[in-house]
Amino acid sequence: ETGVTQSPTHLIKTRGQQVTLRCSSQSGHNTVSWYQQALGQGPQFIFQYYREEENGRGNFPPRFSGLQFPNYSSELNVNALELDDSALYLCASSSRTSGGYNEQFFGPGTRLTVL
Amino acid sequence: AQRVTQPEKLLSVFKGAPVELKCNYSYSGSPELFWYVQYSRQRLQLLLRHISRESIKGFTADLNKGETSFHLKKPFAQEEDSAMYYCALDRSNTGKLIFGQGTTLQVKP
Repeated sequence: ETGVTQSPTHLIKTRGQQVTLRCSSQSGHNTVSWYQQALGQGPQFIFQYYREEENGRGNFPPRFSGLQFPNYSSELNVNALELDDSALYLCASSSRTSGGYNEQFFGPGTRLTVL
Repeated sequence: AQRVTQPEKLLSVFKGAPVELKCNYSYSGSPELFWYVQYSRQRLQLLLRHISRESIKGFTADLNKGETSFHLKKPFAQEEDSAMYYCALDRSNTGKLIFGQGTTLQVKP
């Protein structure tokens, strides 16, 4: 069984650019959640995807968008990057059943630096 | 608004001492609460969840709805317990976690 993987590991961009981060969910999982973790803070929920549809969103502007693919992998896109977007971006996968959500498994994260 | 508060950024104890990591939450419904742990150079992982009522690695946590708390406890700290600990809330089992700011536990020899 393969765990959650994310790519790239590190990324440096400049203000105004666009970035795409990728996440491969754990085998058997159908739900992917994305979190932003600023330095010294806890992870903050960005949005969640279930069966290729957005299934809830945190307090993030529309320039944060995402996709989920038929194999349940996911992308996070951020347009018009700002300095405050510098953070660790975490992806977590889980399985959703009729009884709710099972344990979320986190990836290692992508460290984004915006200059 | 839903919120999770961990009042201590750093908790430093000696090996063998009791540990209590504090977590308070604000949520009017029935919360699901979790403790996540991140060891050095490892990814965030679930330590325990309140509905399972398990003891993991000697840690326990009891949900106190009256005090809206979910403190993490261990009677005798070990050096390998040194890590960052996050308390998290899931509203109505949506899978969307609200995390506290985290507490670094440092266990000294």
